[in-house]
Amino acid sequence: EAQVTQNPRYLITVTGKKLTVTCSQNMNHEYMSWYRQDPGLGLRQIYYSMNVEVTDKGDVPEGYKVSRKEKRNFPLILESPSPNQTSLYFCASSSSGFSTDTQYFGPGTRLTVL
Amino acid sequence: AQSVAQPEDQVNVAEGNPLTVKCTYSVSGNPYLFWYVQYPNRGLQFLLKYITGDNLVKGSYGFEAEFNKSQTSFHLKKPSALVSDSALYFCAVRDLMLNDYKLSFGAGTTVTVRA
Repeated sequence: EAQVTQNPRYLITVTGKKLTVTCSQNMNHEYMSWYRQDPGLGLRQIYYSMNVEVTDKGDVPEGYKVSRKEKRNFPLILESPSPNQTSLYFCASSSSGFSTDTQYFGPGTRLTVL
Repeated sequence: AQSVAQPEDQVNVAEGNPLTVKCTYSVSGNPYLFWYVQYPNRGLQFLLKYITGDNLVKGSYGFEAEFNKSQTSFHLKKPSALVSDSALYFCAVRDLMLNDYKLSFGAGTTVTVRA
């Protein structure tokens, strides 16, 4: 089944403790992206990747890192999480970065930073 | 800069009645427009998109949307709503003029269809 998977689905952590949220897709998609969803703000793009070893900042990249060493994986790294990073995070992928491509979303990761 | 506005936080309709979810956009060039739906505890699912051509776009689950360039709008519609259409709906836009690959989302509209 074609899908985007994220792990963990739920995570509670404390301020400053480094964490990684994994994202993997099995559709051989070139483009992958991370979003955070906050009430009243919709989805805001954190980082995206056009292909392996190619990443770029979205609208809210501060406090996050990403890497794209393999085509299928696009982990989101929070080096020193803070409470304002408490949010619902979505990973998405599409076959390419062209504007017409539909993005496929993972199920989400709910992160709480205490 | 590209942006999307969904002027209604919530839309409530009775089952069987028409459903409209409003979306307006702002771009420098031509827009590519999308609608996504999010059911409780699920990721976003694609409904439909406008790239070019016919202003009326038909999508999944009986939804359609009308692109109106003069009003910079892309409202989502369904002629007869179902209780199962209750969900959070997002409009999104990409600006063809911009040399990046960002997708901007609206804040979302919660649709409640009552039986």
